[in-house]
Amino acid sequence: GAVVSQHPSRVICKSGTSVKIECRSLDFQATTMFWYRQFPKQSLMLMATSNEGSKATYEQGVEKDKFLINHASLTLSTLTVTSAHPEDSSFYICSGHRGYGYTFGSGTRLTVV
Amino acid sequence: AQKITQTQPGMFVQEKEAVTLDCTYDTSDPSYGLFWYKQPSSGEMIFLIYQGSYDQQNATEGRYSLNFQKARKSANLVISASQLGDSAMYFCAMREVLIQGAQKLVFGQGTRLTINP
Repeated sequence: GAVVSQHPSRVICKSGTSVKIECRSLDFQATTMFWYRQFPKQSLMLMATSNEGSKATYEQGVEKDKFLINHASLTLSTLTVTSAHPEDSSFYICSGHRGYGYTFGSGTRLTVV
Repeated sequence: AQKITQTQPGMFVQEKEAVTLDCTYDTSDPSYGLFWYKQPSSGEMIFLIYQGSYDQQNATEGRYSLNFQKARKSANLVISASQLGDSAMYFCAMREVLIQGAQKLVFGQGTRLTINP
């Protein structure tokens, strides 16, 4: 089946630094990758939609300059959290779109200290 | 307005019993898709079952079945013969088709299912 590999699974960083999260579709070409954020005991909130070779589309209220998304190839999309603050601590998960289905990465738990 | 609604924050069921997780949705688009995902404590999202709006029959996948009532806009998940490993968060989601064919998946609030031995 379709697999999306997401790394790292956990990361702890200091306030003010940047963190990059990678999602790779291993056995299919994900023309579209979705990035979600999930706070504890809450649902997944869509942050942005990235399409290969074009700028990402951000949901209302999501800061483009803070959450940089790059989708340079059909198999790789990255999310960079810039100048991280403790309030950015959350679970981030990507999803590759294939046909009518969506394959999720395993998620990244980010802790900003 | 909430497009996907799961009204049960938590459910407790005895092992081997069947359980129904509720999901209602709201859309004016005649073509849509409904999904159920399971999220264990590890955080991964596990696809369970899919129902297309034009599908004539209710979807089934092993112990999972989807009770699709289109007129009532409900897509409840039924898990038969529940197992301890079924304890997890369950999310209902709907595929929204946007302009120019773009799509996104919108999630409900989730239901935490606990299976008791």
